[in-house]
Amino acid sequence: NAGVTQTPKFQVLKTGQSMTLQCAQDMNHNSMYWYRQDPGMGLRLIYYSASEGTTDKGEVPNGYNVSRLNKREFSLRLESAAPSQTSVYFCASSPGAPIYYEQYFGPGTRLTVT
Amino acid sequence: KQEVTQIPAALSVPEGENLVLNCSFTDSAIYNLQWFRQDPGKGLTSLLLIQSSQREQTSGRLNASLDKSSGRSTLYIAASQPGDSATYLCAVPLMDSNYQLIWGAGTKLIIKP
Repeated sequence: NAGVTQTPKFQVLKTGQSMTLQCAQDMNHNSMYWYRQDPGMGLRLIYYSASEGTTDKGEVPNGYNVSRLNKREFSLRLESAAPSQTSVYFCASSPGAPIYYEQYFGPGTRLTVT
Repeated sequence: KQEVTQIPAALSVPEGENLVLNCSFTDSAIYNLQWFRQDPGKGLTSLLLIQSSQREQTSGRLNASLDKSSGRSTLYIAASQPGDSATYLCAVPLMDSNYQLIWGAGTKLIIKP
């Protein structure tokens, strides 16, 4: 039981390049999330998927797109990377809404945009 | 607007001490409050989730309390160990969005052997 896995672990991009961060969970959870974490700040929600087939914007969605490929997988795409997107990105999953359930996190992807 | 604050940002204590970490929130209308642990270079691990109807929740040496009226939660760690060194974050769900959590910036805890 691997929990939540993320690839890649590290990535360096040049401004304007695109990339997709992959996330998968094997806990049969309905809900999945993408966060970014910047130094000295709490986590900020980028997008979430309440259930398979749905996606919604979080607090900081600009510059990102997501795809809930199936119940297990939720990807985050940066179409044209900017230095402001340098951050650590975390994927998380939960059985349902955080008002009822705790979230389980992946190990993160450290992204640098130069 | 809900805001979550954790003070201090960092704390260093000798091994064996009991300690308290603080989490404050501005809007007392909350569904629950959650405490997480983050080890360096790793993801977050959920420690405790206290529902709004509860006053406290315990797991091993950890005890989390919730006082909605004062907008405060505390995480009590008994008999601290070097393995407790990590960053501890608290979060509350946003009332008008069942799926969004508002996070504190965390307290970095160092337990000195």
